Amino acid sequence: ELKVEQNPLFLSMQEGKNYTIYCNYSTTSDRLYWYRQDPGKSLESLFVLLSNGAVKQEGRLMASLDTKARLSTLHITAAVHDLSATYFCAVDVNFGNEKLTFGTGTRLTIIP
Amino acid sequence: EPEVTQTPSHQVTQMGQEVILRCVPISNHLYFYWYRQILGQKVEFLVSFYNNEISEKSEIFDDQFSVERPDGSNFTLKIRSTKLEDSAMYFCASRTGLAEYTGELFFGEGSRLTVL
Repeated sequence: ELKVEQNPLFLSMQEGKNYTIYCNYSTTSDRLYWYRQDPGKSLESLFVLLSNGAVKQEGRLMASLDTKARLSTLHITAAVHDLSATYFCAVDVNFGNEKLTFGTGTRLTIIP
Repeated sequence: EPEVTQTPSHQVTQMGQEVILRCVPISNHLYFYWYRQILGQKVEFLVSFYNNEISEKSEIFDDQFSVERPDGSNFTLKIRSTKLEDSAMYFCASRTGLAEYTGELFFGEGSRLTVL
């Protein structure tokens, strides 16, 4: 059974600081997704990582994938309050299937 | 920008009642999904649907659940006899065909189901 673990589960950080969220998974896969969820809202796709060594950046967020280590990271640079949300990583093992297995989520709170 | 729309946004029902949750996927999308999220927990896959049939379903998707695409636009999830543990946010998602596929799933805003 595929397991996807994120850490930390909760992260409170000051504006302007940098931090990294980690996503480990248990089965070979080269497809990993990052989503953002605001309270009571839907899942917003942030990044789709489709190969080993993939790195994508959007604004203050950068995601990377190491399929050998079965690890993805979501790096936040110079955090701002608007980034407060819950971040989920998700993995699927059959491309085109989208039976995504989600991580537990990381609730990020940015303190002014 | 095209989006996945879901109705109702919130439904309260009594245990044992039937519930139908509705979704209108993005119009040129071919693959459809239901996921659910129990409050405070992670998102879980329920079912995928393509070409008018179920492609894959999870252990959660037992005989009490069914999906249907009754016309060219709607995609529905029916729970035949709701239980307390069915209380959750249900998300519909859709994506394009393989030729255009970039790996991105588009999720709706969700339907919150509360079973009393």
